[in-house]
Amino acid sequence: GQQVMQIPQYQHVQEGEDFTTYCNSSTTLSNIQWYKQRPGGHPVFLIQLVKSGEVKKQKRLTFQFGEAKKNSSLHITATQTTDVGTYFCAESGGSNYKLTFGKGTLLTVNP
Amino acid sequence: NAGVTQTPKFQVLKTGQSMTLQCAQDMNHEYMSWYRQDPGMGLRLIHYSVGAGITDQGEVPNGYNVSRSTTEDFPLRLLSAAPSQTSVYFCASRLGFLHNEQFFGPGTRLTVL
Repeated sequence: GQQVMQIPQYQHVQEGEDFTTYCNSSTTLSNIQWYKQRPGGHPVFLIQLVKSGEVKKQKRLTFQFGEAKKNSSLHITATQTTDVGTYFCAESGGSNYKLTFGKGTLLTVNP
Repeated sequence: NAGVTQTPKFQVLKTGQSMTLQCAQDMNHEYMSWYRQDPGMGLRLIHYSVGAGITDQGEVPNGYNVSRSTTEDFPLRLLSAAPSQTSVYFCASRLGFLHNEQFFGPGTRLTVL
């Protein structure tokens, strides 16, 4: 699969602040998925984006897929302590056989 | 449905020992994968399978073997454990082609001394 770069690696926020993590690729992505992993837990699927310029919302979470399908972002509005964890993006490449994950962004929230 | 199950949850091995990490899913998923997770490295794909009898290498396959004799089971074998294989191992499955929602097992934390 292609390589996706995630930034930042770490983010610490005060509860109530917003948070954004970015996923970037040098080549066009066929689709992108986002996962959340709580500390000590396993990754859990959040969403998949497929279309150029796509925007999807889940409560306080907003997911975007870039117009060129080379980048994606996850934005959390007004973070809560329950948002703590590592957020990963993943892409399946052209063959769709295997998912390749970014290195993740660890979010910590100070109450 | 139990989803994706993994055993054991924890394991300590000595260098050179062999063992098998078990993974099973009861969702009739075609695709199954093994990942290892190390600090700062994210999730790296070890091996994957797109159906019974079909396996292929991922990003970091050396030192690991897999087989897929049934749809449900996808064991990961460490042939001769090395300290570099100390990691958390996740098994995952998904329905199949174009179905990218991947379901992960709870993980196995392996320490090799």
